[in-house]
Amino acid sequence: QQPVQSPQAVILREGEDAVINCSSSKALYSVHWYRQKHGEAPVFLMILLKGGEQKGHDKISASFNEKKQQSSLYLTASQLSYSGTYFCGTEYSGSSNTGKLIFGQGTTLQVKP
Amino acid sequence: GAVVSQHPSWVICKSGTSVKIECRSLDFQATTMFWYRQFPKQSLMLMATSNEGSKATYEQGVEKDKFLINHASLTLSTLTVTSAHPEDSSFYICSAARVPARYEKLFFGSGTQLSVL
Repeated sequence: QQPVQSPQAVILREGEDAVINCSSSKALYSVHWYRQKHGEAPVFLMILLKGGEQKGHDKISASFNEKKQQSSLYLTASQLSYSGTYFCGTEYSGSSNTGKLIFGQGTTLQVKP
Repeated sequence: GAVVSQHPSWVICKSGTSVKIECRSLDFQATTMFWYRQFPKQSLMLMATSNEGSKATYEQGVEKDKFLINHASLTLSTLTVTSAHPEDSSFYICSAARVPARYEKLFFGSGTQLSVL
């Protein structure tokens, strides 16, 4: 089952904040976040491994609530370069140890000047 | 960082022909690679897991005979779309991890836009 991302699209002004959520109906082993710009390959942002774990990368951070089977990506003081489509990729508990990810449907973020 | 190269970037072919897409890991050995299909403004749909030296593992609903995957070496996996039809037109993208294990980030190829006329 594909994880569900919300919202589907966000439009921001430069400097504003945004939150993107990723929810699963199955128990998660880890959550990965990637950003893809139009016509380009997805680029890795971060991996969250443990329940309650939080990570940060510049002004982009994320949390993973293992019990709720969900993760949130936080973008603070957004920059024009943050524009793109954000995907969460999930590894399910009990899945084979190959690193296979199932991706959410994506959230399109547009940052305007 | 690790680099995954994918060729061609785009291809146009006639209906009924076969198209081969290559995915190479340039600076690491990849025993496992993943192939995805992506429609405009949609998600990365996992098609199959490519395993070096063994058969690929296909996701439910993906036709094995339609999408042939060969992973003949530790740095190369190929996806062949056989007898392509217009409905096969899509963006195909591969990925690989340095180690086929959990917690490993994926490095993606730049993708191949396939248009079948």
